[in-house]
Amino acid sequence: GQQVMQIPQYQHVQEGEDFTTYCNSSTTLSNIQWYKQRPGGHPVFLIQLVKSGEVKKQKRLTFQFGEAKKNSSLHITATQTTDVGTYFCAAYSTNAGKSTFGDGTTLTVKP
Amino acid sequence: NAGVTQTPKFQVLKTGQSMTLQCAQDMNHEYMSWYRQDPGMGLRLIHYSVGAGITDQGEVPNGYNVSRSTTEDFPLRLLSAAPSQTSVYFCASRYQGSSEQYFGPGTRLTVT
Repeated sequence: GQQVMQIPQYQHVQEGEDFTTYCNSSTTLSNIQWYKQRPGGHPVFLIQLVKSGEVKKQKRLTFQFGEAKKNSSLHITATQTTDVGTYFCAAYSTNAGKSTFGDGTTLTVKP
Repeated sequence: NAGVTQTPKFQVLKTGQSMTLQCAQDMNHEYMSWYRQDPGMGLRLIHYSVGAGITDQGEVPNGYNVSRSTTEDFPLRLLSAAPSQTSVYFCASRYQGSSEQYFGPGTRLTVT
């Protein structure tokens, strides 16, 4: 089945530093979504990327979809303590009608 | 709208016991699914449903049953609980034409 690799597994940063998590697939993706899960909470949808090379921004968050639609990244500029949590990518397969989640990157921010 | 609701929030079972985790959504979503999340891991799909009366297996279906008699409800049944089923269980729903999923608050299950 479809596999999605996400790196790094953990990232510890000082408040104000930047953060990036990467998501890679061996197959071409229909689209990719990003979710955030706060400690003790449930995943919450952030964004969906559909087009090759697409870049979307949400305030300090920048999301990119690779040209080959096999990889994606989430970049946070100048992290804040409110950014703490686990960030998941989820690859959606149109054929299968379901999403495969990466293992997530857990971000901790030291004030 | 309440969104996606799950009960109970916490549950402790003994090995061999059975129970049902409840999930309901009030958004008229066609698609519902169950995931389990183990420490340090992502969400693994257990079962899913594309509409009332239709269910299918995900990545890790063994030991679990589901049914979908209404659009709103999608219960997950553990037939004979095992310690390996200790996990956090999330129910999610979405519209058929969308890949954006809405997650419930989760059920934290411990099997001793």
